[in-house]
Parts: sequence; C-alpha cells; structure tokens
Amino acid sequence: QSALTQPASVSGSPGQSITISCTGTSSDVGGYNYVSWYQQHPGKAPKLMIYDVSNRPSGVSNRFSGSKSGNTASLTISGLQAEDEADYYCSSYTSSSTVFGTGTKVTVL
Amino acid sequence: QLLLQESGPGLVKPSETLSLTCAVSDYSISSNYFWGWIRQPPGTGLEWIGSIYHSGSTYYNPSLKSRVTISVDTSKNQFSLQLSSVTAADTAMYYCARGVFSPAWFRETYFDYWGQGTLVTVSS
Repeated sequence: QSALTQPASVSGSPGQSITISCTGTSSDVGGYNYVSWYQQHPGKAPKLMIYDVSNRPSGVSNRFSGSKSGNTASLTISGLQAEDEADYYCSSYTSSSTVFGTGTKVTVL
Repeated sequence: QLLLQESGPGLVKPSETLSLTCAVSDYSISSNYFWGWIRQPPGTGLEWIGSIYHSGSTYYNPSLKSRVTISVDTSKNQFSLQLSSVTAADTAMYYCARGVFSPAWFRETYFDYWGQGTLVTVSS
C-alpha cells in the first residue's frame, strides 16, 4: 500500500485560510469515509485533529475542518495562527492496512 | 485521562529482535478499542505497523507482516511489539496508540490517544 500524497509544504499569513490536500485511490481515500488528520509539532506525538473525514474531536478548534471529494481529502485551517505551524498527516483506512500521507509542513509567515 | 507509555531498549543490534511494551494507564485495555503501533523514521513520515484487539485478534502492515508480532497482556494492561531481523531502516520513533473502530469494520479507523514515543536505533 503506497503512502497517500500530500504537498510537502503549505504556508499562509496569520488570519488567512489554507488547505492541505491528501490524494489516494479508490482503495483507500475514495473507498471509505475513514480519513483522519493528525497535527505533529516538533518532538511531539501526533495529535488527532479530524476523524471520519470531517468530524472534530472534543477540544479541537473549529478553525480546523475536513472534507473529501473522490480520491482526495482536504484539511482546511481558517484564521491561521502561529500555533498552527506544525506537520500535518492524513490517514485512511484500507481493507488491508492503515495508510498515512507523506506529510505537509505548515508555515505561518 | 488515558495515558500510554512506551518502554524498551533504545539500541538494538542489526539482525536482532526489537521488543517494546506499551503500558496503558487509567483505562482498561479490555475495553472496545484496538491498540496499535506506529513508527516514524527520523525526518520522515508515519508508518502503521499493526494493531491488536484485547481478544488477541491482530492486523499487520503487509510490508512488515513477516517480521512483526503484536501481543496483549490484559492482566498487566499492556501490549507489546516484536520486530525481528532489524536493520538500520528500522531506526525510528515508535509510538503506541489507541485505535477507534467502526462497527462496520473490525479494525481501527483512526487513533485518538498516542504515547509520547520511544526512539529505537539499530546499530552495532
């Protein structure tokens, strides 16, 4: 199972909105509504931000939202803040494994 | 508040077996969740290794399946990872995590709680 494809980096100014894409196939992203997103600050463990495509866990800011169209899922961060600067990984269920994305570094300018 | 804590040797010799344990605190490992292992080589992305249910049902990454064994000890409220015949490519931060599963698919669909991770280096 190949890793899901994410842009290596995305940047934005404080207050702006950014979107991170996560492209897979009909065997993973496109085949199931089980896409999740994780935020990882340097030296820290990943933190769940979105599950089942568009659901936010309790305690996660509503500035984070998720969606999916076909084989591509997206994470949007609105009202970008300095604390959002981190690496972000998507993940998808597949019939044989759990697959992660290649990761995206978000930089707040 | 659920806590997961990884433990094990930080240095393993090539060709030997990597063994890690994840202790679960303030939550029963026999509850309705999967328990998984994920690793992250230095400077790179996340890789799912495998998961286990308290009944002992296991699921492994097909690319690692021939070398991986995950087991659970409900009496100690912990689960373990063994990875055999390690090479330098197995050098990584290893995380344990709790997996939530959908009733439709008996396997985790996302991980909601993660341990802090433990760095394992494979070197002679």
